[in-house]
Amino acid sequence: DAKTTQPPSMDCAEGRAANLPCNHSTISGNEYVYWYRQIHSQGPQYIIHGLKNNETNEMASLIITEDRKSSTLILPHATLRDTAVYYCIVKGSTLGRLYFGRGTQLTVWP
Amino acid sequence: DVKVTQSSRYLVKRTGEKVFLECVQDMDHENMFWYRQDPGLGLRLIYFSYDVKMKEKGDIPEGYSVSREKKERFSLILESASTNQTSMYLCASSLYPASNTEAFFGQGTRLTVV
Repeated sequence: DAKTTQPPSMDCAEGRAANLPCNHSTISGNEYVYWYRQIHSQGPQYIIHGLKNNETNEMASLIITEDRKSSTLILPHATLRDTAVYYCIVKGSTLGRLYFGRGTQLTVWP
Repeated sequence: DVKVTQSSRYLVKRTGEKVFLECVQDMDHENMFWYRQDPGLGLRLIYFSYDVKMKEKGDIPEGYSVSREKKERFSLILESASTNQTSMYLCASSLYPASNTEAFFGQGTRLTVV
């Protein structure tokens, strides 16, 4: 599975959009981009995933560049409860193991 | 509401004890995983299983074993607990094949070995 690169930390004002970038330049054609987040002392929570089209659900939007070498997770109206570590993961294995990097610590401030 | 349930939220055990961490999922998932999470090291895979009675070593299996006698249950066993196994343990499950499906995590078990 391809490796990802994320900034170690970001912050965002409450009510504003949070845009979290991820680079995955070695991604291969059958690998999906997944986003999880982990609020302190809890298990990781699935947010969204995609292959090449942009995706949206009730939590977030995922924008994947046309060459698939990078993506952006968008939280459209960040709240204080969105403060967490966000992990971008590339997964192609049918066995489903996830390789977690260091992630991005997002801090939403009032 | 889908669920992965870990038997204990907090656990304190003595060095040398045999420790069982239990995980149950109610989604009929084939794949199940055990990770541990330590500050500065992130989540690391200990063992995983893609079917009943099947198991595969992850990145750090030493000092651990697993059991999967039923599809819904995946147990992590510390044969003789040591202080360096003090950690947060996370169980997860997913469908097979899993490239296009998400994994669901339990709430974690914080194990302290004294």
